[in-house]
Amino acid sequence: GAVVSQHPSWVICKSGTSVKIECRSLDFQATTMFWYRQFPKQSLMLMATSNEGSKATYEQGVEKDKFLINHASLTLSTLTVTSAHPEDSSFYICSAVPVFSNQPQHFGDGTRLSIL
Amino acid sequence: DQQVKQNSPSLSVQEGRISILNCDYTNSMFDYFLWYKKYPAEGPTFLISISSIKDKNEDGRFTVFLNKSAKHLSLHIVPSQPGDSAVYFCAASVPLGNTPLVFGKGTRLSVIA
Repeated sequence: GAVVSQHPSWVICKSGTSVKIECRSLDFQATTMFWYRQFPKQSLMLMATSNEGSKATYEQGVEKDKFLINHASLTLSTLTVTSAHPEDSSFYICSAVPVFSNQPQHFGDGTRLSIL
Repeated sequence: DQQVKQNSPSLSVQEGRISILNCDYTNSMFDYFLWYKKYPAEGPTFLISISSIKDKNEDGRFTVFLNKSAKHLSLHIVPSQPGDSAVYFCAASVPLGNTPLVFGKGTRLSVIA
């Protein structure tokens, strides 16, 4: 079945550091990938929609200058958390929708980000 | 305002019995509904889905029922197995394709041997 790989799975870093998270579709192409964030005991909240070859679309309340998204190819989207602070600590998950397919979104295993 | 609601944060069921997880939605434009299963520190895994043109979809031990008039769907697992213990998320979209999913908060299912 379709596989989405997300890397790294866990990051611990100091406040002020920028962290890059990669989301790759391993056996299919995806023109659209989504980035979600999940706080403890909360639902997955959409942060932004990443479109290959164009600018990402951000949800209300999500700072585009803080969460930089680059969808450079049909199989890779990256989320960079710039100058991360403790309040950015969360579980970040990406998903991808196969091109020309009625398959549902496939999710990566997520990245747990802990900012000290 | 939550568009997809899972009002039961947790559910405990004995092995072999039926598990029923419920989900309500408010947006009448939703036309595709999905259930995802999630283990700790892993991403959600697709389980089963249903289109708004159907009222039931079955896949092995898993059946999803949709009641459009009540804006309610449920996931039935029978018989429940200890390996089914996980958090189950209900999600909805308009329509299927390159649109984001709207998730409920999840229900933690514990199947007791």
